[in-house]
Amino acid sequence: QSALTQPASVSGSPGQSITISCTGTSSDVGGYNYVSWYQQHPGKAPKLVIYEVSNRPSGVSNRFSGSKSGNTASLTISGLQAEDEGDYYCSSYTSSTIRVFGGGTKLTVL
Amino acid sequence: EVQLVESGGDLVKPGRSLRLSCRASGFTFGDYAMSWFRQAPGKGLEWLSFIRSKTYGATTEYAASVKGRFTISRDDSKSIAYLQMNSLKTEDTALYYCTRDDRYSSDYWGQGTLVTVSS
Repeated sequence: QSALTQPASVSGSPGQSITISCTGTSSDVGGYNYVSWYQQHPGKAPKLVIYEVSNRPSGVSNRFSGSKSGNTASLTISGLQAEDEGDYYCSSYTSSTIRVFGGGTKLTVL
Repeated sequence: EVQLVESGGDLVKPGRSLRLSCRASGFTFGDYAMSWFRQAPGKGLEWLSFIRSKTYGATTEYAASVKGRFTISRDDSKSIAYLQMNSLKTEDTALYYCTRDDRYSSDYWGQGTLVTVSS
């Protein structure tokens, strides 16, 4: 069982917006602004899409945005495109073990 | 261009040891922390270990699942991070990734090296 809780799957139609939640505790998500999100396409290495809750690395589409409220972080993808389909993982700094991950969310673009 | 290339994955028997290497290029290796992750077939990502830069003492952290069996290290003169894995178990079978870390996120990932533990 993963330390951070994500929905197993979400889906949306092209052009729509979707949000993936990531719930932790005050010892990780709620306690620090070190939440990051990763996108993984089948057979590929993960790619960082959001760091420090809401920052986008250079080259990542501005359709990706992140936020946090209390112990829950969220990744929102707007203007959904077919290329967004894949697995998404959240991660947080935690004082106990440094890094903790969610179990992943499979995004399907209908 | 930042590149991370893992190597050392192999088919090994339970109880044996293996050392993975992660050769870095395209950045000043000594300025960054590094991590190792793994992903078992069809499963999610699992963070394994983290080593800070020498500026922060090159101190290390481990996930509970590998603490005492795995050791992370770095050779800044060669721009290589290592993961020594001892007492391997069948459940250690996975694709192992190394990453460059910045402010507790992994901004670059290698393509992975496959470790299979089977008798």
